[in-house]
Amino acid sequence: GAGVSQTPSNKVTEKGKYVELRCDPISGHTALYWYRQSLGQGPEFLIYFQGTGAADDSGLPNDRFFAVRPEGSVSTLKIQRTERGDSAVYLCASSPQGAAYGYTFGSGTRLTVV
Amino acid sequence: GNSVTQMEGPVTLSEEAFLTINCTYTATGYPSLFWYVQYPGEGLQLLLKATKADDKGSNKGFEATYRKETTSFHLEKGSVQVSDSAVYFCALGDVSGSRLTFGEGTQLTVNP
Repeated sequence: GAGVSQTPSNKVTEKGKYVELRCDPISGHTALYWYRQSLGQGPEFLIYFQGTGAADDSGLPNDRFFAVRPEGSVSTLKIQRTERGDSAVYLCASSPQGAAYGYTFGSGTRLTVV
Repeated sequence: GNSVTQMEGPVTLSEEAFLTINCTYTATGYPSLFWYVQYPGEGLQLLLKATKADDKGSNKGFEATYRKETTSFHLEKGSVQVSDSAVYFCALGDVSGSRLTFGEGTQLTVNP
């Protein structure tokens, strides 16, 4: 596609529920990244995929967070047993060459846990 | 580990004023450096980048020079416009290519 697409744009969920956030990267981009941006802060790295595999998942805060990219294109970030502290904007980005050359970001999914 | 420190905001300027937003970094090796911009209601956009020492990145009248001796990448524009009002993020790309480390962002408001 023309840009990185993220759905939904907004998600409100109750504490304890499970959520899935979807990212559709730019066609042909092998590198895909997830970041989390809290209000008034810069984005924080969560996980990086090169193709289908998670090359670096060291930014995932705990085992409630998990992400997949089964066919090397679309990725899903999954959060189990959501907590109010998970409320943030979740950003996806893709790149043809990796972080050293910059990314294209999607508009993000605003997650609110009530 | 890698870190990025930006000047605290918010910054408020009049149209046609000179802009500087300071950014310093701590990193191992020779990272790439970036400025991203987030306009109201929009996603992060790459504004400019520099991949090695003494490189100057430029775009839309904005410039930043990669200064290894001072570990800095300050953003400058000679004459700001109202349309430049946004949040600006300095970022560092690690040499392994796996992630960007962002500063906390600087809110710029330009008044007519």
